[in-house]
Amino acid sequence: DAMVIQNPRYQVTQFGKPVTLSCSQTLNHNVMYWYQQKSSQAPKLLFHYYDKDFNNEADTPDNFQSRRPNTSFCFLDIRSPGLGDAAMYLCATSSDRTSSYEQYFGPGTRLTVT
Amino acid sequence: AQSVTQLDSQVPVFEEAPVELRCNYSSSVSVYLFWYVQYPNQGLQLLLKYLSGSTLVKGINGFEAEFNKSQTSFHLRKPSVHISDTAEYFCAVSDYNSNYQLIWGAGTKLIIKP
Repeated sequence: DAMVIQNPRYQVTQFGKPVTLSCSQTLNHNVMYWYQQKSSQAPKLLFHYYDKDFNNEADTPDNFQSRRPNTSFCFLDIRSPGLGDAAMYLCATSSDRTSSYEQYFGPGTRLTVT
Repeated sequence: AQSVTQLDSQVPVFEEAPVELRCNYSSSVSVYLFWYVQYPNQGLQLLLKYLSGSTLVKGINGFEAEFNKSQTSFHLRKPSVHISDTAEYFCAVSDYNSNYQLIWGAGTKLIIKP
């Protein structure tokens, strides 16, 4: 089945130690998104790629970076994680910008910062 | 600016009873409306969507929602819930002004009592 895969499902990192979360998709979608979701809150869009075109949300901290080396893969890098960055990180895809309302989500990576 | 209001943060209901989860939105243009479900420690799954046409939309797992333009609402209903419906439910809206990105409600936790 075509899907969105996130690895790892659970990640523990130390305060200030860089961490990378990965996402891959077999849907061949042009758009990939990264969301941060804290407990009992709605997902918050961090950034998205339309193909190789990177779009950062205005309030996304500089501590968060992303890479998309090809259509299938997208990475979220947190350069110096703080305790406040502990959250679920969700990757999503959509086929095109004009259908960006219809998104397919991965299972998420739960990040713990110690 | 667009916004989505889910009036209830938690809705407890007995198993096999009916349930309604409320969602109101603000938008001055034509909208697309969505309900997503998130099971514990999982990503989000699209439950149903309204893009155009019939205002009564049927989704997966026996859920349905009705678009009411005059009341700017898109309430989610199920006639008889099961323990497996325990999850968090998010309403989302998308329109031209948001570049078709999803604007999320805060979520409603559906708690099924045996």
